[in-house]
Amino acid sequence: DAGVIQSPRHEVTEMGQEVTLRCKPISGHDYLFWYRQTMMRGLELLIYFNNNVPIDDSGMPEDRFSAKMPNASFSTLKIQPSEPRDSAVYFCASSPDRGSYNEQFFGPGTRLTVL
Amino acid sequence: GNSVTQMEGPVTLSEEAFLTINCTYTATGYPSLFWYVQYPGEGLQLLLKATKADDKGSNKGFEATYRKETTSFHLEKGSVQVSDSAVYFCALSPPSGGSNYKLTFGKGTLLTVNP
Repeated sequence: DAGVIQSPRHEVTEMGQEVTLRCKPISGHDYLFWYRQTMMRGLELLIYFNNNVPIDDSGMPEDRFSAKMPNASFSTLKIQPSEPRDSAVYFCASSPDRGSYNEQFFGPGTRLTVL
Repeated sequence: GNSVTQMEGPVTLSEEAFLTINCTYTATGYPSLFWYVQYPGEGLQLLLKATKADDKGSNKGFEATYRKETTSFHLEKGSVQVSDSAVYFCALSPPSGGSNYKLTFGKGTLLTVNP
């Protein structure tokens, strides 16, 4: 079974450009999470979805960030316009709904560099 | 709110040494507890979990016991290997029920094992 798939693995862009990160969760998982990881702030939850519906976006840093999940097998995280401080590794994770606990499966991440 | 505190790294050990990484938490009720591991250049992987008090999670020679009385979930391994070099994250998930499936992560502890 394929794990969580993210693309691209690396993205280098210039300040002001639009960036779109993509994620395919594990088939059958009901939850999808977007995280950002930096040395300074560690691992931060940006937003999560349940059955394609955004549940909590309180971690989205500002209006420049948006996330969508048009169907159960695809999600995007968009940054527009991008800024150098957005440089980080962005992880997507998915989770089945087991009721009693939350085990998340992480993708390999997208390393974003904004020049 | 929920929080996780783990010992700051980096931790540097020689091969076959004993490992302890401390983790304490703050949460209401009985959360589920996890240790995740992140190898260089990869996403996080679930290492072990415990879903109720006094449970012991174990995997790949690592162990952690859910101690409700001390609100702790310390990670241990009797004999580390060079291949164990990674960043280790302690995390908690709220008790079952409700719609909050967010994981709360500690800041991570970098472990380096030298031959």
